[in-house]
Amino acid sequence: AQSVTQLDSQVPVFEEAPVELRCNYSSSVSVYLFWYVQYPNQGLQLLLKYLSGSTLVKGINGFEAEFNKSQTSFHLRKPSVHISDTAEYFCAVSKWDDKIIFGKGTRLHILP
Amino acid sequence: DVKVTQSSRYLVKRTGEKVFLECVQDMDHENMFWYRQDPGLGLRLIYFSYDVKMKEKGDIPEGYSVSREKKERFSLILESASTNQTSMYLCASSPPGYSGNTIYFGEGSWLTVV
Repeated sequence: AQSVTQLDSQVPVFEEAPVELRCNYSSSVSVYLFWYVQYPNQGLQLLLKYLSGSTLVKGINGFEAEFNKSQTSFHLRKPSVHISDTAEYFCAVSKWDDKIIFGKGTRLHILP
Repeated sequence: DVKVTQSSRYLVKRTGEKVFLECVQDMDHENMFWYRQDPGLGLRLIYFSYDVKMKEKGDIPEGYSVSREKKERFSLILESASTNQTSMYLCASSPPGYSGNTIYFGEGSWLTVV
């Protein structure tokens, strides 16, 4: 069975500093990988996803993620964060013809 | 613009009450989902439906039931609410199948059972 682990439950970072949110998955077959973002008091929305092809995926709001098959990782990065990036970020994995599995989330706190 | 609408953002119910959470999507999606979100536990799937009148149990179906009489509407029912069902409930929808499809979420319903 597939699973996804977000290694940090909370990440504090200063405004304009870079950030990396870590995600590892386990699966014996090819997978699709996602990052969703949940802003305060809202539902989740898609940030980016990897289906196939280039391992570097660019998403909305300046975020990007890199699929690393050998490390079974899909870490999310942004070179310079803004106060508006304060949110909870969820990594998720699915395989062909199976339901998506979400990680437990990482809260990103932007410090002034 | 795609939209999943949950009819109630905040509800307070008494223990033992029957509770209905309603969700409507305007994207003609076949798949609809109900998740429960709790701090530190992430999203847990309660039920999902892949077509009208079709449903499958998710990871935590106990204490819940669902109804999907029309394609655009998916209701979550708590037959007899209990305090351990106090939580944020998220409805979502997606196109048919699972192959990398984006899931679209509503804004959530905060349910407090007292």
